[in-house]
Amino acid sequence: ETGVTQSPTHLIKTRGQQVTLRCSSQSGHNTVSWYQQALGQGPQFIFQYYREEENGRGNFPPRFSGLQFPNYSSELNVNALELDDSALYLCASSLKGSYGYTFGSGTRLTVV
Amino acid sequence: TQLLEQSPQFLSIQEGENLTVYCNSSSVFSSLQWYRQEPGEGPVLLVTVVTGGEVKKLKRLTFQFGDARKDSSLHITAAQPGDTGLYLCAGAIPGSARQLTFGSGTQLTVLP
Repeated sequence: ETGVTQSPTHLIKTRGQQVTLRCSSQSGHNTVSWYQQALGQGPQFIFQYYREEENGRGNFPPRFSGLQFPNYSSELNVNALELDDSALYLCASSLKGSYGYTFGSGTRLTVV
Repeated sequence: TQLLEQSPQFLSIQEGENLTVYCNSSSVFSSLQWYRQEPGEGPVLLVTVVTGGEVKKLKRLTFQFGDARKDSSLHITAAQPGDTGLYLCAGAIPGSARQLTFGSGTQLTVLP
């Protein structure tokens, strides 16, 4: 059974640039959620995807967008990067209706 | 906005001591989960509690969900250095497709 894998592990971008983060869900999981974790804080919900459609969204601006593909892999896109976007971005997959979430190790994004 | 407050924020104890971490909210959650996160890794699910008043045990860890499903506690007996990590509680918002609201975490250090 494979876990959740995220790429890249680390990334440095310049303010104003765009970034795409990728996530491969655990085998058999059809729901993917993205979270932002600032240093010293708990993760904050960005959005969730099920059957390739957004299924819930947290308090994040529209420049945060996502995609889920037929194979349940997912992308998080952030446009017009700001310094405050520097954080650990976590992907979590689950089976819809279940309580179990499996998190990836995250992508550490630094915006300079 | 539904908030989960965790206390204490930091805890440093000697090996063999007992400890309790608290997670409180003014909101009702349909379920509550506890995770442990190590540096550079994503959170790992420890337990999910669903029923008010529910108590679950995982070896030396005891988890309790409050009767009103607004609070929870994690008790560790005879802590060991391997228990060191960031402990996060996360509540599922009713009717939100299992969107999780995380607390800010308790950083536990167990000294040998």
